[in-house]
Amino acid sequence: SQTIHQWPATLVQPVGSPLSLECTVEGTSNPNLYWYRQAAGRGLQLLFYSVGIGQISSEVPQNLSASRPQDRQFILSSKKLLLSDSGFYLCACPAGGTGETQYFGPGTRLLVL
Amino acid sequence: AQSVTQLGSHVSVSEGALVLLRCNYSSSVPPYLFWYVQYPNQGLQLLLKYTSAATLVKGINGFEAEFKKSETSFHLTKPSAHMSDAAEYFCAVGSGGSYIPTFGRGTSLIVHP
Repeated sequence: SQTIHQWPATLVQPVGSPLSLECTVEGTSNPNLYWYRQAAGRGLQLLFYSVGIGQISSEVPQNLSASRPQDRQFILSSKKLLLSDSGFYLCACPAGGTGETQYFGPGTRLLVL
Repeated sequence: AQSVTQLGSHVSVSEGALVLLRCNYSSSVPPYLFWYVQYPNQGLQLLLKYTSAATLVKGINGFEAEFKKSETSFHLTKPSAHMSDAAEYFCAVGSGGSYIPTFGRGTSLIVHP
């Protein structure tokens, strides 16, 4: 079974600063990968998904971007953070690499001040 | 297109009481349906899933859900709540082909002693 690591676990950043969140996956190869954001009272919002190296689909236009430099690495970035970027960021992949049962990482708590 | 509606952002029950968390879905094709649980500051974990087999699905921790096509519902129940059940619960719908499930906004379950 797969394991998802997310780094860092918690982050406090000033408005206008850059962001880089990392997700790495073990135990599967060539998985679909997803970035979700969970903001207070707004449920789970899909931000980006990737079906392979260098392939990124954006679900929501915003000041965030994603990259997939390696098969098992998915990075979420921003050049300038906004207050509204605060939230809990979750990386996920399908159980078994494909399919719709999602397996989630432990998440990164981001607070933008 | 697919969508999920979770009725009630918060549900409060006493320990030992019945738990009922409501989920209604919309899907243009036969759906796959999921319930996930999220404990504070953790990622989501799969509780149970429906994939067109038995309409009554049993999951972990004593939870079960019944798929009712005529009502387009997939409500989550547990006969007797425990304090450890206090968490956020998410319903999700997939279509068996897109590999991108749609999540509801979540319901926070509060369990009183």
